[in-house]
Amino acid sequence: DQQVKQNSPSLSVQEGRISILNCDYTNSMFDYFLWYKKYPAEGPTFLISISSIKDKNEDGRFTVFLNKSAKHLSLHIVPSQPGDSAVYFCAASVLGSNYKLTFGKGTLLTVNP
Amino acid sequence: DGGITQSPKYLFRKEGQNVTLSCEQNLNHDAMYWYRQDPGQGLRLIYYSQIVNDFQKGDIAEGYSVSREKKESFPLTVTSAQKNPTAFYLCASSTWKTRGETEAFFGQGTRLTVV
Repeated sequence: DQQVKQNSPSLSVQEGRISILNCDYTNSMFDYFLWYKKYPAEGPTFLISISSIKDKNEDGRFTVFLNKSAKHLSLHIVPSQPGDSAVYFCAASVLGSNYKLTFGKGTLLTVNP
Repeated sequence: DGGITQSPKYLFRKEGQNVTLSCEQNLNHDAMYWYRQDPGQGLRLIYYSQIVNDFQKGDIAEGYSVSREKKESFPLTVTSAQKNPTAFYLCASSTWKTRGETEAFFGQGTRLTVV
């Protein structure tokens, strides 16, 4: 039973355009969400997070939007750069309960020059 | 320089042998985790530990064992009972922030190949 779903295995965009990566979750107890970026043969690196008390969090070119009623979040990258090409993982946790993070399967983003 | 160190980066073992993957952190983090990545499967949680001398099974714990004798160390043993041990293994650590948010920081991973 997959609690965090990233239904698009891959996404291709042109340099300078917007990249939108989507994530859905089924567990209504999740109240903290994170995005990680991963290059091949390396560990994931933290990008940005959002808690359920907010619907938007912005950090430079990266913005995460949360729609609690739809159990959906998205990561926007504007403008996209070739160096953004990587696998992006969505993760979720329950605040204050334990440290467990549940990850989606990831979306491979390719930014073409 | 604080971080998480996994060693070795590449590991080859014969089928039927147990193998232990090392994970050390000097971030003073309370929690540590082991994940496994397979193609198309994302990151699946094997075991996690919130404090020293305590750990919990994740989603795919069968065939694995861990110990947490020190805050800094969380070694993972892949036993001969693990049916498909060949994978990329990732160790992570985290701690609580103000409201309980936690961000896991990952090591560089160990690629285990069983032949």
